Amino acid sequence: DQQVKQNSPSLSVQEGRISILNCDYTNSMFDYFLWYKKYPAEGPTFLISISSIKDKNEDGRFTVFLNKSAKHLSLHIVPSQPGDSAVYFCAARPGAQKLVFGQGTRLTINP
Amino acid sequence: DTGVSQDPRHKITKRGQNVTFRCDPISEHNRLYWYRQTLGQGPEFLTYFQNEAQLEKSRLLSDRFSAERPKGSFSTLEIQRTEQGDSAMYLCASSLESGTRPYEQYFGPGTRLTVT
Repeated sequence: DQQVKQNSPSLSVQEGRISILNCDYTNSMFDYFLWYKKYPAEGPTFLISISSIKDKNEDGRFTVFLNKSAKHLSLHIVPSQPGDSAVYFCAARPGAQKLVFGQGTRLTINP
Repeated sequence: DTGVSQDPRHKITKRGQNVTFRCDPISEHNRLYWYRQTLGQGPEFLTYFQNEAQLEKSRLLSDRFSAERPKGSFSTLEIQRTEQGDSAMYLCASSLESGTRPYEQYFGPGTRLTVT
């Protein structure tokens, strides 16, 4: 039962443009959502989070949007930089302490 | 301020052998989590500790797996009688219960296990 889904395995964006990464979920009981970035041979690095009672959270170049009615969240990166090339995971907390992760989206920023 | 550390970073073992991994969380964090990640998938929850108490275990954690956190600081994850299906990246994370954002988990670099 895949409760968190990232349907795009990869995304390619030109440097300086906006990157939009998407995530869908099925469990209405998720109370927090998080985005992580992962480089090869490293653990996931926390990027940004949002509470289920909010619809937007912004931190520098990163903004997360939550649409509860559609059970959809997205991560916007503006402007995209070469160092943003990585695999991005969305994760959700089902009220317990664990996190449930999506499968990841590989973002490639082209010069 | 050191992050989460894991040892070893890589482990190659033969099927049937036992392996043990260690995780040192961020020093003030009282919650510690183990996850497993296989190729093309996101991390999957295995188990979690609050201080020294193991409070939740996933059904993924078969009886060949055991985790401990004896003094509420570092943790070990042992896999007995390893199988080829155990080959994965084992990730440790920690968080602070009393922090302003206790849901934020910080991950270590992982231990990559290869069972031959």
